[in-house]
Amino acid sequence: EAAVTQSPRNKVTVTGGNVTLSCRQTNSHNYMYWYRQDTGHGLRLIHYSYGAGNLQIGDVPDGYKATRTTQEDFFLLLELASPSQTSLYFCASSPDWVQDTQYFGPGTRLLVL
Amino acid sequence: GDSVTQTEGQVALSEEDFLTIHCNYSASGYPALFWYVQYPGEGPQFLFRASRDKEKGSSRGFEATYDKGTTSFHLRKASVQESDSAVYYCALGKTQVVGQLTFGRGTRLQVYA
Repeated sequence: EAAVTQSPRNKVTVTGGNVTLSCRQTNSHNYMYWYRQDTGHGLRLIHYSYGAGNLQIGDVPDGYKATRTTQEDFFLLLELASPSQTSLYFCASSPDWVQDTQYFGPGTRLLVL
Repeated sequence: GDSVTQTEGQVALSEEDFLTIHCNYSASGYPALFWYVQYPGEGPQFLFRASRDKEKGSSRGFEATYDKGTTSFHLRKASVQESDSAVYYCALGKTQVVGQLTFGRGTRLQVYA
């Protein structure tokens, strides 16, 4: 079973604050993804990567940066957090391109005051 | 662009009822189609997928058949249980962009004993 972990599980920050969300997968998967989940919108892709040092823009990238430091680690950065970024964030990984299964982490709930 | 439309909001059923959650897609070619399930407090989990017209995917008593003619991939289960209560997401693999899934907005299934 694929293992994807996220930290922190919960985070509260203020408007304009700096937040880093972390994701680690231990299955040597090539692809990693960051999604946000909001009521009425489902899951929306923010950024993704197909290997260390690689970054690709998703569907809702504004206000977010990402960095893939190793095959295992993928970070999501909010440098000037806004209340509109209050959401539940999921990281996922998959061993190959889109045809394969994506394995999701448990999520990070972020509240921006 | 690619899109997925599924049954909106919540579906409420009693145990042993028949379940149908509708999913229709808009995309060129033959995108891979997926169903994911998300239990409370967890990340989404892959349920099954199909890649070709008339192909049936199935898992845990759930099934769906890829229908290119009606651009549909409806989720069905003959007899639901209370433990099936969850949010169900239909998704497609983007045909023009490698490595991305487009998710529907999700359908909450509540099964009453």
